[in-house]
Amino acid sequence: VKIVESGGGVVQPGRSLRLSCAASGFTFSNYGMHWVRQAPGKGLEWVAVISHDESETNYGDSVKGRFTISRDNAKKTLYLQMNSLKTDDTAVYYCAKQGALAGDLDYWGQGTLVTVSS
Amino acid sequence: HSALTQPASVSGSPGQSITISCTGITSDFGGYKYVSWYQQHPDKAPKLIIFDVNSRPLGVSSRFSASKSDNTASLTISGLQSEDEAHYYCSSYSSSLTLWVFGGGTKLTVL
Repeated sequence: VKIVESGGGVVQPGRSLRLSCAASGFTFSNYGMHWVRQAPGKGLEWVAVISHDESETNYGDSVKGRFTISRDNAKKTLYLQMNSLKTDDTAVYYCAKQGALAGDLDYWGQGTLVTVSS
Repeated sequence: HSALTQPASVSGSPGQSITISCTGITSDFGGYKYVSWYQQHPDKAPKLIIFDVNSRPLGVSSRFSASKSDNTASLTISGLQSEDEAHYYCSSYSSSLTLWVFGGGTKLTVL
């Protein structure tokens, strides 16, 4: 299993950014996928989930209405569209594969850093 | 939905056992009952070490064990080794709400 995030960088407050996550080594279309973030020096915060067939999505309270999770099963790629970014969104964003029993995240990428600053 | 509560830090000497608690796994809001634990070394991605309350993924040492009682989950690391020094996070999942939540994390120091 290999998971590689990309798309991070420095962005001004109020602007948008799209993260990508390329997956390989497993049948991507069979598993739910998640975004989890970690602000500098802080703990893990669950951000969003999308079901294996895109039929269901859900978000953490702090990003609901601003972030959109999506996926392209043909390209084995997960996305996170982040709009109306705030300085509090500064974090390393991890992409993670959902485990077979659904409750756990069994494989993680190395993360991509998003810095929201003027 | 508030995060789960963990102690900020724990410590132990090599060879000893330590336990990290995780409270707040309640049946409110549809019922958080699936518990998993993650290990994170500095500047590394989190690694799953316990799923479904007390199961270990292949390759994870049997020195890691876990349990759950009422609203509290616990991770025990026996025979502490220097490589166990890391942050540990609990997580729970509500199938009815399709929500995941993490604990605040515990820094383990091996003295």
